Amino acid sequence: DARVTQTPRHKVTEMGQEVTMRCQPILGHNTVFWYRQTMMQGLELLAYFRNRAPLDDSGMPKDRFSAEMPDATLATLKIQPSEPRDSAVYFCASGLGQGNTGELFFGEGSRLTVL
Amino acid sequence: QKEVEQNSGPLSVPEGAIASLNCTYSDRGSQSFFWYRQYSGKSPELIMFIYSNGDKEDGRFTAQLNKASQYVSLLIRDSQPSDSATYLCAVNQGGSYIPTFGRGTSLIVHP
Repeated sequence: DARVTQTPRHKVTEMGQEVTMRCQPILGHNTVFWYRQTMMQGLELLAYFRNRAPLDDSGMPKDRFSAEMPDATLATLKIQPSEPRDSAVYFCASGLGQGNTGELFFGEGSRLTVL
Repeated sequence: QKEVEQNSGPLSVPEGAIASLNCTYSDRGSQSFFWYRQYSGKSPELIMFIYSNGDKEDGRFTAQLNKASQYVSLLIRDSQPSDSATYLCAVNQGGSYIPTFGRGTSLIVHP
């Protein structure tokens, strides 16, 4: 049963703390996305990797957010320092990125609360 | 800013009726169009994709695409209470594989 795995599922932290979220994409998928979902903004793209190379992080606040893909089985999203406005659900998704397919498979999300 | 617009709803329909969900997009170069369903507290899951003008049917779901009008819709026939969810329209801009999502339409199917 291939699926995208995200950890942690829930995280409560205090303002100023570092938060790291991890994602294991589906084996064989060559595109990985990080999205943030809030009631106000919906799903916002934060970062996009293809074959582990970061291709688009224009939606990510660069001063505090960073995204990496150290190997094909792990993508990370780090927030340092965290702020209350970062409270949201963070989704990782992976896909094949070939031809016209384009469909994404989402992880269950990491719900972040920054106090 | 390339945009994907959806009515936030909620759209309320009785069980057994047809639910019609609509989406417009701003980038004329868009090639691929997707509908995702998201239950409350869950992650989005793909239910339909469409690339060509016209209709595409899959069971109770029909996706309709009109590139000239920059419009894509999802029809759900014989709506069931289990169809109650938020439906997200996603559009791949130009030749990219980066979907831009609308904010979603909340659908409520009442018995």
